[in-house]
Amino acid sequence: QVQLQESGPGLVEPSETLSLTCSVSGDSMRSYYWSWVRQPPGKGLEWIGYIYNIGSTHYNPSLKSRVTMSIDTSRNQFSLKLSSVTAADTAVYYCARDLHTSAFDGWFDPWGQGTLVTVSS
Amino acid sequence: SSELTQDSPMSVALGQTVRITCQGDSLSRYSASWHQQKSGRAPILVIYGENNRPSGIPDRFSGSISGNTASLTITGAQAEDEADYYCNSRDSSGNHVVFGGGTKLTVL
Repeated sequence: QVQLQESGPGLVEPSETLSLTCSVSGDSMRSYYWSWVRQPPGKGLEWIGYIYNIGSTHYNPSLKSRVTMSIDTSRNQFSLKLSSVTAADTAVYYCARDLHTSAFDGWFDPWGQGTLVTVSS
Repeated sequence: SSELTQDSPMSVALGQTVRITCQGDSLSRYSASWHQQKSGRAPILVIYGENNRPSGIPDRFSGSISGNTASLTITGAQAEDEADYYCNSRDSSGNHVVFGGGTKLTVL
């Protein structure tokens, strides 16, 4: 059974770059769409973007200028970088996989457990 | 529009039926999915492709679509169904995902 696990610093200073990695176990990364989703404390879910196994990406237009995603299928990992962070970027960050191979539907299953990133000096 | 609008917080008596709705223009073109999120936990997928349940999701959960409104119905709500429920779908461009604002469900 596929499992996802986020990792990275829990505290990032304002104006710096947030960097997270999602490690995938239990299945191949090939032919799936991999997404990042965040949730500010007490608020709803926000899709950040996806990366496909060949490296193609699509980002949320509201974050596009600051987001970069990458993938390393040999290490079963994909990553998120969010630049110029502010307090508004404080959130739990989740990685997730689309349910079916070669399909981008936003039907996320499974999800990682999430990691809280706080932006503060 | 790429927005999805969900119901305000709702409550349901134990064993009764509740329907949560999600409205948006993109739903006339793209299928919705529903995620359940319990307090302090990651979301889990409960309905996808309008009315399909992943393995392990009880059959009291069902989905439907009418025009640009998707619905999640819980028939015979249980105490463990108390959670926030989020709908989502692809936006009108087809290249992005949008989430509804979530509906908090309380089981009385």
